[in-house]
Amino acid sequence: DTGVSQDPRHKITKRGQNVTFRCDPISEHNRLYWYRQTLGQGPEFLTYFQNEAQLEKSRLLSDRFSAERPKGSFSTLEIQRTEQGDSAMYLCASSSPLRLGDEQYFGPGTRLTVT
Amino acid sequence: AQKVTQAQTEISVVEKEDVTLDCVYETRDTTYYLFWYKQPPSGELVFLIRRNSFDEQNEISGRYSWNFQKSTSSFNFTITASQVVDSAVYFCALSEAIGGADGLTFGKGTHLIIQP
Repeated sequence: DTGVSQDPRHKITKRGQNVTFRCDPISEHNRLYWYRQTLGQGPEFLTYFQNEAQLEKSRLLSDRFSAERPKGSFSTLEIQRTEQGDSAMYLCASSSPLRLGDEQYFGPGTRLTVT
Repeated sequence: AQKVTQAQTEISVVEKEDVTLDCVYETRDTTYYLFWYKQPPSGELVFLIRRNSFDEQNEISGRYSWNFQKSTSSFNFTITASQVVDSAVYFCALSEAIGGADGLTFGKGTHLIIQP
């Protein structure tokens, strides 16, 4: 049973460029979450999918952020026109549909550096 | 609005000492879930425990134990006979929505340093 995987693990980009991150959840998990973690802080919730439906996106940080999960399996998080303040660790997590309030399992994250 | 407070930013103890990490939460819901996660230097968050609001029974798992008290809105974590491998940042988290649609609200974390 493989865990949550994320790609790439590190991304360096210049300000103004677009970036896209991929997350592959644990195979039987239908819920998928994106978080952002900055230095010295806990993860901050961004958005949530149940299967392919994005059920919560009001926490996305700005309209430059968008996420998709087209077939209910992997998900992508895109940041357009990156800014230096977007530099952070972007974490993906998934959870099982089997019970309410189930624990989330996190991937290793994608560290974004905007220069 | 939900909130999680971990007042201890950093704790340093010598190996084999017991250490308790504090977590205080705020929520208006009667149904909620509490979690502890460990983030070692490698960076990946590791799930430790889940508790629902109706289960105040304390839990012990090896050297780890958790004390959940609704009366004080606290969910504290104790490591007994600490080891160097316990060095990490520990996060307490809260989920209110059924199904977790609101995601987890994390505290700022406690950096635990176990000195040999």
